Amino acid sequence: SQQGEEDPQALSIQEGENATMNCSYKTSINNLQWYRQNSGRGLVHLILIRSNEREKHSGRLRVTLDTSKKSSSLLITASRAADTASYFCATDRAGGGADGLTFGKGTHLIIQP
Amino acid sequence: DSGVTQTPKHLITATGQRVTLRCSPRSGDLSVYWYQQSLDQGLQFLIQYYNGEERAKGNILERFSAQQFPDLHSELNLSSLELGDSALYFCASSARDRVYNEQFFGPGTRLTVL
Repeated sequence: SQQGEEDPQALSIQEGENATMNCSYKTSINNLQWYRQNSGRGLVHLILIRSNEREKHSGRLRVTLDTSKKSSSLLITASRAADTASYFCATDRAGGGADGLTFGKGTHLIIQP
Repeated sequence: DSGVTQTPKHLITATGQRVTLRCSPRSGDLSVYWYQQSLDQGLQFLIQYYNGEERAKGNILERFSAQQFPDLHSELNLSSLELGDSALYFCASSARDRVYNEQFFGPGTRLTVL
């Protein structure tokens, strides 16, 4: 079953606007990662945030993690057409990760030029 | 380009058949992961190998098996194929054995079972 659930399922915004996606999960985690997938292609790692971190930045990306609410958000600032893709959060459960990464179903982001 | 290669890109076969998907990890990476992506199930972790040994197991069916060879390439074998096995199969690699390390994904193999 999916541990991570992204919200919204789809998001369409104008180029230059900010895009925010949310992810909720069910069990305690070691880390949470965000990946991007362009249509039908492999996933690309964006950022990893550890369970003891609250916020992390990488270029135009900002990720927050609230372990008390079991949720994370990904903010993309000053969006570009090239940001059009699906975005997934992935978690590994606390306790060793012997069952691998669990991905949500993704948010499909469309940037309108 | 992630450095992870997968062959073939596309595979069309019939129910009941057996196929083998191949993955070559990035140079120097010891871990290989296999994932299945379908519309109804999303992206599901199947199995991980680290330096030739099975390290983690996910929702992998008994009809599916994998192995990692001494040169670190990996193969995923799918047998007694069913219509529901139609999906994108991704391989990913990472330098170390922990699943939370950054993983580099290959372009995937699209399997269609008719």
